[in-house]
Amino acid sequence: EPEVTQTPSHQVTQMGQEVILRCVPISNHLYFYWYRQILGQKVEFLVSFYNNEISEKSEIFDDQFSVERPDGSNFTLKIRSTKLEDSAMYFCASSVQGSKTEAFFGQGTRLTVV
Amino acid sequence: ELKVEQNPLFLSMQEGKNYTIYCNYSTTSDRLYWYRQDPGKSLESLFVLLSNGAVKQEGRLMASLDTKARLSTLHITAAVHDLSATYFCAVDEGGTSYGKLTFGQGTILTVHP
Repeated sequence: EPEVTQTPSHQVTQMGQEVILRCVPISNHLYFYWYRQILGQKVEFLVSFYNNEISEKSEIFDDQFSVERPDGSNFTLKIRSTKLEDSAMYFCASSVQGSKTEAFFGQGTRLTVV
Repeated sequence: ELKVEQNPLFLSMQEGKNYTIYCNYSTTSDRLYWYRQDPGKSLESLFVLLSNGAVKQEGRLMASLDTKARLSTLHITAAVHDLSATYFCAVDEGGTSYGKLTFGQGTILTVHP
């Protein structure tokens, strides 16, 4: 069964360092998303991406964050200068047609900023 | 701005008992999802509810949607320990939202023997 895969599963980084979280969406999906979940809290939307551009972003997704689809298969989330409060689980998701179809979530990347 | 509220946030149940988790949302919705999350794990899709009056059942879980009341329920029948997890509802506003989901706070369910 096709699935969304994320790497790495866990990343530890020092405050101020750049991190790139990687995702391989399901191959025929056209819409891509990043969500984050701070430990013990709800899942929060960060950004949606369609047709090689951001379609919507939340207030959390500030200038420190960027997304890219560098090679037609991977979908990445970059955090330029990590802060302690960026520590969270980051989930990638993809869907065939955006709001008309279900999004499928990856297993998540746990980011720990020390 | 769409708001999604779940209650209760914590639910401690005995095995064999029934209970309901409620999910209220503040604006019209295209579809509503229920997810299960085990500690440290990803989101497992349980139900997708598309229209008013939709009811879906899988095992001991049954979900329903009342779009007029902007309310969805997740009913647990004869709970067993394996159902212990966090349950989230999530709402897709539809329209130009490109599939963005707004999640409730989650309900932490613990089922005791």
